[in-house]
Amino acid sequence: NAGVTQTPKFQVLKTGQSMTLQCAQDMNHEYMSWYRQDPGMGLRLIHYSVGAGITDQGEVPNGYNVSRSTTEDFPLRLLSAAPSQTSVYFCASRQTRVNSPLHFGNGTRLTVT
Amino acid sequence: KQEVTQIPAALSVPEGENLVLNCSFTDSAIYNLQWFRQDPGKGLTSLLLIQSSQREQTSGRLNASLDKSSGRSTLYIAASQPGDSATYLCAVEYDDMRFGAGTRLTVKP
Repeated sequence: NAGVTQTPKFQVLKTGQSMTLQCAQDMNHEYMSWYRQDPGMGLRLIHYSVGAGITDQGEVPNGYNVSRSTTEDFPLRLLSAAPSQTSVYFCASRQTRVNSPLHFGNGTRLTVT
Repeated sequence: KQEVTQIPAALSVPEGENLVLNCSFTDSAIYNLQWFRQDPGKGLTSLLLIQSSQREQTSGRLNASLDKSSGRSTLYIAASQPGDSATYLCAVEYDDMRFGAGTRLTVKP
């Protein structure tokens, strides 16, 4: 039972480069989301999806794109990396839109130089 | 603004001690409140979820309470063990989830 799987675990980018963070879940959860975690701050929501083909913005969406073509996968794309995007990124899923526990992946540590 | 605050940021206790972690939130119109545990280099693990209509939830040595009117939740850990050392985060669900910055707990043998 893999749960939520994120790849890669670590990534170093140069300013202006683009990349995709991968997220997959095997629990048939409808709701998936991306968060970033910065030192001294709580997790902040970037984008979320309530089902295949449906995505919406969270608190800090600028500079990121998402798509949801299948129930299982929810990739996060950085269009043109900036040093301010240095962070730890977490993907999470849950069975329902509200009132169910969130299941997290182990995170991707991204450094932008 | 919907803010979630956890104080203290760090806590160190001797093994065996009972302890309380605090979480406060500014807007009482919540769906639920969740407590998570985060180990270094890992994701968050859900510990307890309290619905807005509930006052408390228990799981093993953990007990979480919720007082919506005062905007407070506590996580009580009984008979702490070194394996409880981790960062504990609370999250309040509104239209989306708002996380506190966490309390880093160290339990010394």
